[in-house]
Amino acid sequence: RKEVEQDPGPFNVPEGATVAFNCTYSNSASQSFFWYRQDCRKEPKLLMSVYSSGNEDGRFTAQLNRASQYISLLIRDSKLSDSATYLCVESTSGTYKYIFGTGTRLKVLA
Amino acid sequence: DVKVTQSSRYLVKRTGEKVFLECVQDMDHENMFWYRQDPGLGLRLIYFSYDVKMKEKGDIPEGYSVSREKKERFSLILESASTNQTSMYLCASTTGVSYEQYFGPGTRLTVT
Repeated sequence: RKEVEQDPGPFNVPEGATVAFNCTYSNSASQSFFWYRQDCRKEPKLLMSVYSSGNEDGRFTAQLNRASQYISLLIRDSKLSDSATYLCVESTSGTYKYIFGTGTRLKVLA
Repeated sequence: DVKVTQSSRYLVKRTGEKVFLECVQDMDHENMFWYRQDPGLGLRLIYFSYDVKMKEKGDIPEGYSVSREKKERFSLILESASTNQTSMYLCASTTGVSYEQYFGPGTRLTVT
């Protein structure tokens, strides 16, 4: 089983739709979780950290479910500019080791 | 704003050449990382450094070495480039407090 698993997609959604991605992780000792956004042929950019209590930033909401070992990203009112690949990342504190998922591709259609 | 820069965006080298990839960050971050990214495989850690002159191997260190002589600069060295090292190379840094990584723009290396 991969350490971090994501549905590769693509998720094709119309503008204005709500879309959600899940990411499962296998290491129960993982402490820190992040969502990164990566545009084609560009570097990953931090979208948001995922806290135990959840995290919301505008149209984006991230949740952590420790019991089932997954994190989620919800995007409301999708924009064309949200089209990108979304990477899930987990880290165990003190190890400096980050495990990246292979990403979920989102296409928002006009 | 954190800024991580990499010396080249695109690089073409021949098999057997020694290749240097440079990364510089301007935020006084303790930790720096080198990854490679390949389609379907995601980002894989080559080496990381938690302090000047300190380094640790990541998941795929074979064929690579690193150098960190100054806090802001972390270099990746391909001792003898091979075609299977054709990839996108990404440098990242983090404070080690927030654990949020910041990436450079990447170097797309082609070895022919």
